[in-house]
Amino acid sequence: EVQLVESGGGLGQPGGSLRLSCAASGFTFSNYWMHWVRQAPGKGLEWVSRINSDGSSTHYADSVKGRFTISRDNAKNTVFLQMNSLRAEDTAVYYCATRLDYTSGFQHWGQGTLVAVSS
Amino acid sequence: DIQMTQSPSTLSASVGDRVTITCRASHSISSSLAWYQQKPGKAPKLLIYKASSLESGVPSRFSGSGSGTEFTLTISSLQPDDLATYYCLQYDSYSTFGQGTKLEIK
Repeated sequence: EVQLVESGGGLGQPGGSLRLSCAASGFTFSNYWMHWVRQAPGKGLEWVSRINSDGSSTHYADSVKGRFTISRDNAKNTVFLQMNSLRAEDTAVYYCATRLDYTSGFQHWGQGTLVAVSS
Repeated sequence: DIQMTQSPSTLSASVGDRVTITCRASHSISSSLAWYQQKPGKAPKLLIYKASSLESGVPSRFSGSGSGTEFTLTISSLQPDDLATYYCLQYDSYSTFGQGTKLEIK
C-alpha cells in the first residue's frame, strides 16, 4: 500500500524558514517524481513544486520560485521542501503527492501538514 | 504557463440530478486532465484521469469527457455522499489546478 506521511509543519515567522519532509513507502520511491501541493485556509489547491526521480530536475510555481527548494533522499525514501523567506500568504496545508502511472493525475496524497506564518 | 478556468464556482443540486462541471484550458492539453473530489479536512481523491478514465473504485455515476481545451465532469445521478468540492488538474505542462467547484445538495 502506498503511503505518504508529511511532517515538519508548524508556526513560522515572516522572513523565517521551515523544512517539510514527506516519507514514502509501498512503492519504489527512486523511480517516481514527487510533488508538493498546498491549500490555503478556505481556498483552492495550488501546485507548488516537483522533482524528478533522481533529483536532477526541479520546477516551481512562480509564487515560491527563489524562496522554496525541493530535494529528495532516495536512500531514505523522503522528499523535502525547504521554505525560506516565509510570507503570510504561505500559510496553508502542504501535501506531498505522486503518481505511479505517468498518464494519470496525482493518485496518491499524504494527509497534509499545516504551515502557519505569523509573528 | 497553462491556466485552467473552472465553472461554476458553486453549484446547488438535488439528489438524483445530473450535474456537470466544466474546465477550460488556456492551451491545448490533449487529454492530460484529471478530476478530484475533496471533502473538508481530507486530501483530494482522484476520480478521473486522462480526461475520461475512471479511477479504480470510483462509482460509475462519475464520468469525464473532452480533449484539447474543453473538459467536463458529469455526475449522472447525484447522491448525498457527493457533497464536496471538485477540482480539475492539467498535467500536460507541469501542473495547474482549476479554482474548484463547491457542490451543495439542495
